[in-house]
Amino acid sequence: SAVISQKPSRDICQRGTSLTIQCQVDSQVTMMFWYRQQPGQSLTLIATANQGSEATYESGFVIDKFPISRPNLTFSTLTVSNMSPEDSSIYLCSVETGVNQPQHFGDGTRLSIL
Amino acid sequence: QKEVEQNSGPLSVPEGAIASLNCTYSDRGSQSFFWYRQYSGKSPELIMFIYSNGDKEDGRFTAQLNKASQYVSLLIRDSQPSDSATYLCAFLMIKAAGNKLTFGGGTRVLVKP
Repeated sequence: SAVISQKPSRDICQRGTSLTIQCQVDSQVTMMFWYRQQPGQSLTLIATANQGSEATYESGFVIDKFPISRPNLTFSTLTVSNMSPEDSSIYLCSVETGVNQPQHFGDGTRLSIL
Repeated sequence: QKEVEQNSGPLSVPEGAIASLNCTYSDRGSQSFFWYRQYSGKSPELIMFIYSNGDKEDGRFTAQLNKASQYVSLLIRDSQPSDSATYLCAFLMIKAAGNKLTFGGGTRVLVKP
């Protein structure tokens, strides 16, 4: 399966600031996704990162808060904007290597906001 | 009704026994089902996927799918302490805007030596 590198692996940020998380895959993939996992919870899809077009956001998530870029088939970024303590979570990038193929996850970014 | 339901556990299993995990889903149109294992502080790792009714075996793991009853299960045979983790079931919703993987809340498994 694809090797997925996510960075930073963790960060502690101040309230009101923004952080950009990077996801790099070692091969071209069809689909890339961003998830959030709040403490003690399961995974919630934030958006699908579309190559060459705007991301598709799930209900409850908006572009102004979570802008996403996907400039090519191996790279995507998620920015968490104007952070508050409620944004403290693990953010995970995942990739799908083919149609209806399983998704594989990066190691995640553990974000704490003070 | 939640889209995916799992018993949160913990499911306590003696070492060497069979751990049985169940998951029900609401979307009758789903075709693809997945089991992920997540160790504490780590990201989810795919362990099984199943697309057809019946059983699928991979080593000590067996996934079982019953589309008519809308449930999928995972059996872990000869459970080991290293199997202690949270197991997440997920199914793929086919949507016009793009497929969406929907996760259950996870079942925590504790294998006791």
